[in-house]
Amino acid sequence: DTAVSQTPKYLVTQMGNDKSIKCEQNLGHDTMYWYKQDSKKFLKIMFSYNNKELIINETVPNRFSPKSPDKAHLNLHINSLELGDSAVYFCASSHIDEQFFGPGTRLTVL
Amino acid sequence: GQQLNQSPQSMFIQEGEDVSMNCTSSSIFNTWLWYKQDPGEGPVLLIALYKAGELTSNGRLTAQFGITRKDSFLNISASIPSDVGIYFCAGPRRDDKIIFGKGTRLHILP
Repeated sequence: DTAVSQTPKYLVTQMGNDKSIKCEQNLGHDTMYWYKQDSKKFLKIMFSYNNKELIINETVPNRFSPKSPDKAHLNLHINSLELGDSAVYFCASSHIDEQFFGPGTRLTVL
Repeated sequence: GQQLNQSPQSMFIQEGEDVSMNCTSSSIFNTWLWYKQDPGEGPVLLIALYKAGELTSNGRLTAQFGITRKDSFLNISASIPSDVGIYFCAGPRRDDKIIFGKGTRLHILP
């Protein structure tokens, strides 16, 4: 059983399109996150949700909108994709400070 | 702001060698986390440290929480090919956001 799963694994799309990435965790954690990892492998937090409520929103363009339908799911919708959005996006959930990451979604914007 | 500085940035070692890497900050952290990221995968938690001076082992891995609470190190003994990857230190900032160091890339020479 996969603890934190993301779909799709790969996403290739044209500039200007809107796309979504889905994330689900079956660990029973209350807190979920989205991270962006750039080409230099730097990991930066984007959003954090606790029990479906947004608690962290780093400086992220408002083209990025997370949605948490329930505490096991945290989806990421991106509008008007730009070239600079190309990266690997990781979902994670946590128990206290220990985070469990999904396998990542590699987004390529052409 | 609080930042985590990891060194070295990259390491090239022979199989069987011991490895040592560290993470420092100008600020105090109450938790230190060490993660490993394999190519194409999400980071996986290796060791979590919660107490200054704490020394914790996980197989061939040993990590210590510095007594000043401003540093931590990770040692790997008798490295094997599957140790290749990126090692990240992480910790919660004062506002509870988890921040990551920029990683130490471990390469094992054939």
